[in-house]
Amino acid sequence: DAKTTQPNSMESNEEEPVHLPCNHSTISGTDYIHWYRQLPSQGPEYVIHGLTSNVNNRMASLAIAEDRKSSTLILHRATLRDAAVYYCILPTQFQGAQKLVFGQGTRLTINP
Amino acid sequence: DVKVTQSSRYLVKRTGEKVFLECVQDMDHENMFWYRQDPGLGLRLIYFSYDVKMKEKGDIPEGYSVSREKKERFSLILESASTNQTSMYLCASSLPSLNEKLFFGSGTQLSVL
Repeated sequence: DAKTTQPNSMESNEEEPVHLPCNHSTISGTDYIHWYRQLPSQGPEYVIHGLTSNVNNRMASLAIAEDRKSSTLILHRATLRDAAVYYCILPTQFQGAQKLVFGQGTRLTINP
Repeated sequence: DVKVTQSSRYLVKRTGEKVFLECVQDMDHENMFWYRQDPGLGLRLIYFSYDVKMKEKGDIPEGYSVSREKKERFSLILESASTNQTSMYLCASSLPSLNEKLFFGSGTQLSVL
């Protein structure tokens, strides 16, 4: 399985943009990049995913490097509710289902 | 709103007891998953199911079994609970395609004394 590397923690201020990096140097040509986040005392929730080009949705943007060996999750204007652990994942096919391997993720702290 | 519901938020059991953790989804999803989450170890896949009565072992199936008699319900069974099974258990469901998102429940914090 291709591996991802993320910083253990990051800190930002409320209403400022946040850029969460992820390295995936062993990514294959067909691997999608998924991001999930886990708020305190909750299960993980899907944030965004993409293959090659940048992606936007109501929660965030995903910027994917041209060589696909890294990507950045962008929260355009962080709020206190964005404080969570963010996971960058490359799902793999496993016996008829997708397998998500969650690493340690990046713990994001938002300062008021 | 789509929903994955886990029957208990907190559960306390004794060593040797048989424990059932229940999960129900209302999205008609084919795939269902059970993970456990421990500090420093992240989420680890225990078992998953891609259809009724079908199951596959994940990365840490030892000490667990599962049951999927109906599409919407996926049960995790601890045949004889042990203290090292004290953990947060998370259920998820998804459509079958590789890049479909997983929807997670809120988790069950199980303590085995």
